[in-house]
Amino acid sequence: EDKVVQSPLSLVVHEGDTVTLNCSYEVTNFRSLLWYKQEKKAPTFLFMLTSSGIEKKSGRLSSILDKKELFSILNITATQTGDSAVYLCRNYGQNFVFGPGTRLSVLP
Amino acid sequence: GAVVSQHPSRVICKSGTSVKIECRSLDFQATTMFWYRQFPKQSLMLMATSNEGSKATYEQGVEKDKFLINHASLTLSTLTVTSAHPEDSSFYICSAGKGRHEQFFGPGTRLTVL
Repeated sequence: EDKVVQSPLSLVVHEGDTVTLNCSYEVTNFRSLLWYKQEKKAPTFLFMLTSSGIEKKSGRLSSILDKKELFSILNITATQTGDSAVYLCRNYGQNFVFGPGTRLSVLP
Repeated sequence: GAVVSQHPSRVICKSGTSVKIECRSLDFQATTMFWYRQFPKQSLMLMATSNEGSKATYEQGVEKDKFLINHASLTLSTLTVTSAHPEDSSFYICSAGKGRHEQFFGPGTRLTVL
């Protein structure tokens, strides 16, 4: 059965801190791993990763995939209060599977 | 805990027919369920928020007569795509709220309208 695990489930930091969010997965016929940011309405797509070791970057956010160890990390540097959200990892294999999310709170 | 299932996982139908998609919270009671539609480039759009025992709240631009939502119990919400057309072909995803700030996503239903 396909599974996605995220850690930590909850994280509180102060502005300026750097955070690393983890996503590990077990999936049949892996195709891609996706990261989303959810604030209010629909999750906002951040990254799609298909190849190991290639970092994807967007501003202060970056992500990388390790297909051998079956995990991905999402890094956020110099966090801001606007980064407060739930970050979802979603795996695409035989099925789409969402992880439970990491709730990040960035305090001023 | 906190498992959300959807049924069916895939459905193919002819244009003009109606399709019902079920969303179930398997091990918790969900007072609120959300329905999303996936668009190209993996983006998700919130279609409606479904509260048990009351009418769903639709997002702007979503036709409530076309996308009928019924939240009959604390563990089940259904989305019926009425008179489906090829442009309705998409991936429909539900999520269920366990608490005020917790939401768990289902695996999605891929709808193909021929």
